[in-house]
Amino acid sequence: AQTVTQSQPEMSVQEAETVTLSCTYDTSESDYYLFWYKQPPSRQMILVIRQEAYKQQNATENRFSVNFQKAAKSFSLKISDSQLGDAAMYFCAYRDLNYGGATNKLIFGTGTLLAVQP
Amino acid sequence: NAGVTQTPKFQVLKTGQSMTLQCAQDMNHEYMSWYRQDPGMGLRLIHYSVGAGITDQGEVPNGYNVSRSTTEDFPLRLLSAAPSQTSVYFCASSLRTGGGTGELFFGEGSRLTVL
Repeated sequence: AQTVTQSQPEMSVQEAETVTLSCTYDTSESDYYLFWYKQPPSRQMILVIRQEAYKQQNATENRFSVNFQKAAKSFSLKISDSQLGDAAMYFCAYRDLNYGGATNKLIFGTGTLLAVQP
Repeated sequence: NAGVTQTPKFQVLKTGQSMTLQCAQDMNHEYMSWYRQDPGMGLRLIHYSVGAGITDQGEVPNGYNVSRSTTEDFPLRLLSAAPSQTSVYFCASSLRTGGGTGELFFGEGSRLTVL
C-alpha cells in the first residue's frame, strides 16, 4: 500500500527567508500525482501545488516550488520569501493516476506545522 | 460559486447519540468523499462515492454510514456516536473519477466532539 511520510512535525522560518518542507512516499506505481495542501488556522484545505510523476520538470507556483526526485521518492516543498500568511499546517498527499480506476483517493502525510517569525 | 458546503461547522454530541453531517457541492462533481482529521494522523478516508447510488468504504469506515441519492449531496451519518469519533471531518469532491488531475476541493470542515 502507498504511504506518505512527513518527518518534520514542526518547522519555523523568519519572514522573507526560505524554508523547505520534506515529504517522502512509497509506491510501486510509475504514474501518479503528488500534492501539497495548506491548512491555515481557518481549517480550510487549500491546494498549493501539484506535480505529475511523468513530468520531469519541477512544478512552480509563484513563491512555491517543489523538488521532485522520483527515484528517491521524495517530494519537498520550498517556500521562498516567506510571509506571515504562509503560517499553516502543510500536508503532502499522493494519488494514483488510476486510469479507469475507482477512486480519487488521496493518501495524506501527517503534516508539518510551519511557523513564520516576524 | 459556493463550492463544497458542509454543515454544521461545530457539533457536540453525547455518547450514543446519532447525527448527520451534511455535504453539498454545486460543481457537478462525480466523485465525493469524507475524511477525518486527527492530530498526528493527517487525513484518513472514511467513505467515498463515484456517482449517485454508488458508495464504498475507505480506510476508516467503522461507525459511519453514507448514501448518495443525488450528484450534489453526500451526507455522513453517525448512528451511535463514540468518543473515538471526536475529530474534524472534511467533505471533498472532484470532477470525475479516475484520470484527470484528481484535485480534491474541500469543504470548510466540521468539528465534532463526542462526550
